[in-house]
Amino acid sequence: DTGVSQDPRHKITKRGQNVTFRCDPISEHNRLYWYRQTLGQGPEFLTYFQNEAQLEKSRLLSDRFSAERPKGSFSTLEIQRTEQGDSAMYLCASSTSSGSNQPQHFGDGTRLSIL
Amino acid sequence: DAKTTQPPSMDCAEGRAANLPCNHSTISGNEYVYWYRQIHSQGPQYIIHGLKNNETNEMASLIITEDRKSSTLILPHATLRDTAVYYCIVRGYSGAGSYQLTFGKGTKLSVIP
Repeated sequence: DTGVSQDPRHKITKRGQNVTFRCDPISEHNRLYWYRQTLGQGPEFLTYFQNEAQLEKSRLLSDRFSAERPKGSFSTLEIQRTEQGDSAMYLCASSTSSGSNQPQHFGDGTRLSIL
Repeated sequence: DAKTTQPPSMDCAEGRAANLPCNHSTISGNEYVYWYRQIHSQGPQYIIHGLKNNETNEMASLIITEDRKSSTLILPHATLRDTAVYYCIVRGYSGAGSYQLTFGKGTKLSVIP
């Protein structure tokens, strides 16, 4: 069973550039989540998909952020016009919807550094 | 705000049991207790979860008090590879916001040789 895969693992970019991250969930997991983690803090929820539908978005997800899951499989998270404060680890997780309490399984994240 | 309270750090001797406490005094009837851990530069790893009964799997045991206001994660024989930040999280299974995990600062467990 392959786990949640995220690409790239590291991204360095200049302020003002756009970046896109990809997440491939565990096969047959129809729920997908994005989180952000800054240094010394726990992960913070950004958004949630069930299949291709984006069902929840955090206030942290400003209008510069957009997430998609077009075919209900992989997902992308794009940040436009990056700012210094966007430097963080971006984590993706997935789970099944069978049962009400299925745990989320995380990938190892994409670390974004803004110069 | 996180609904749980954990000590910021703990030490445990290698080979001994590590007992990590968590207070969740405001837990409601439909909320589960989840435990995750995070090793430096990796994503959080799911360990175990429960509602009101004690649970055990190949990684750990979860003991939930009868009033469900606190729980303890037990790693029976800690190894150096168990050094990590451990997060205790409560999460409901229905309603708005129920899908997200709310992480606090967790407990930094250091396993000492």
